[in-house]
Amino acid sequence: DIQMTQSPSSLSASVGERVIITCRASQDLKNHLVWLQQKPGKAPKSLIYGASYLQGGVPPRFSGSGSGTEFTLTISSLQPEDSATYYCQHYNDYPLTFGGGTKVEIK
Amino acid sequence: EVQLVESGGGLVQPGGSLRLSCAASGFTFNDHYMDWVRQAPGKGLEWVGRIRNKPKSYTTEYAASVKGRFTISREDSENSVYLQMSSLKAEDTAVYYCAKAIYDSSAYYHMDVWGKGTTVTVSS
Repeated sequence: DIQMTQSPSSLSASVGERVIITCRASQDLKNHLVWLQQKPGKAPKSLIYGASYLQGGVPPRFSGSGSGTEFTLTISSLQPEDSATYYCQHYNDYPLTFGGGTKVEIK
Repeated sequence: EVQLVESGGGLVQPGGSLRLSCAASGFTFNDHYMDWVRQAPGKGLEWVGRIRNKPKSYTTEYAASVKGRFTISREDSENSVYLQMSSLKAEDTAVYYCAKAIYDSSAYYHMDVWGKGTTVTVSS
């Protein structure tokens, strides 16, 4: 199975700050990676697919980059509503697997 | 508007069975693969399995943790997908989400829309 490792596991940042979350895969994923946002008590929401393509309706302050085994999710200017847990997930092979999550808090 | 609504969750004893349903609307259901994902209390996300569409013979894939105990099926005429769970264990306690899968430019399928989930508790 492909192991997905996210870092950091949590972070605290101020409104307006740039936030970067990293996801590393144990095998080459090409660009078959999504980023998800999950707020407490809610279902996950897809933000980015294909490592860098924004899902419709997602604010442009979110961006994704990377390919192969290293990927990043960047929030260019953190907003209060971005407080959530973020997950990466690959879809290159079965089983699909998720990173452990990064909890983003607002200072 | 694309909607996925899960139902069928509840309390079940260890060793018991439960069938979850996911009703879809707002898109052409029979074009898409469908997934089930679960989340144990306070934990991360775990993919459960996938069912492909009719052109791919409704074939399925499962996580090792549920293979042989869980079965995914679909009824395109009812725009619904199901998760039949048997031989349930305490560690199957989770919120279960269904998700619609769509292919990207490389023809690999990823989940793009998720339902709100239904809670399954396995306890005596």
